[in-house]
Amino acid sequence: ETGVTQSPTHLIKTRGQQVTLRCSSQSGHNTVSWYQQALGQGPQFIFQYYREEENGRGNFPPRFSGLQFPNYSSELNVNALELDDSALYLCASSYAGTHTDEQFFGPGTRLTVL
Amino acid sequence: QKEVEQNSGPLSVPEGAIASLNCTYSDRGSQSFFWYRQYSGKSPELIMFIYSNGDKEDGRFTAQLNKASQYVSLLIRDSQPSDSATYLCAVKGRSNYQLIWGAGTKLIIKP
Repeated sequence: ETGVTQSPTHLIKTRGQQVTLRCSSQSGHNTVSWYQQALGQGPQFIFQYYREEENGRGNFPPRFSGLQFPNYSSELNVNALELDDSALYLCASSYAGTHTDEQFFGPGTRLTVL
Repeated sequence: QKEVEQNSGPLSVPEGAIASLNCTYSDRGSQSFFWYRQYSGKSPELIMFIYSNGDKEDGRFTAQLNKASQYVSLLIRDSQPSDSATYLCAVKGRSNYQLIWGAGTKLIIKP
């Protein structure tokens, strides 16, 4: 069974640039959720994708957007980067249909905005 | 009031003792409750989930849920130095897709 993978591991960008982060879900999973985690805080929900459609969104501006592909992999795009976007970005995959919908995380992408 | 609250710690426990981690939540309609462990610089790792009132045991870990009092706890028996990490409580709310997270409790197991 293949676990959740994310790329790249680390990324440094400057303010105003755009970034794309990638996630491959665990085999057998059909749902991907993206989170932002600032240092010393719990993850903050960005959005979730199920069957290639956005299934819910947290309190993040429209410059945060995403995609899910037919193989259930996903991308997170962030436009017009701001300094506060510096964080660990986590992707979690799950199988929608279980009672509890346990989410399993990839290793994360550390984004630094200068 | 935050939706999911945890004591930030650090909680220091001697090796071999029981570590007790607590979490309270505000949404009475919450359905499922999760405990994750996060080592510094790493991503969260699922330890346990619980959705019925009472206790659920898995090895050295026991999750306890009390929906009437709106709290969930995690007990770690025979604590080991490798248990030193931040423990995150996550709650699945009414929306059925979003996990609401606490800020985590830092646990230190002293040899």
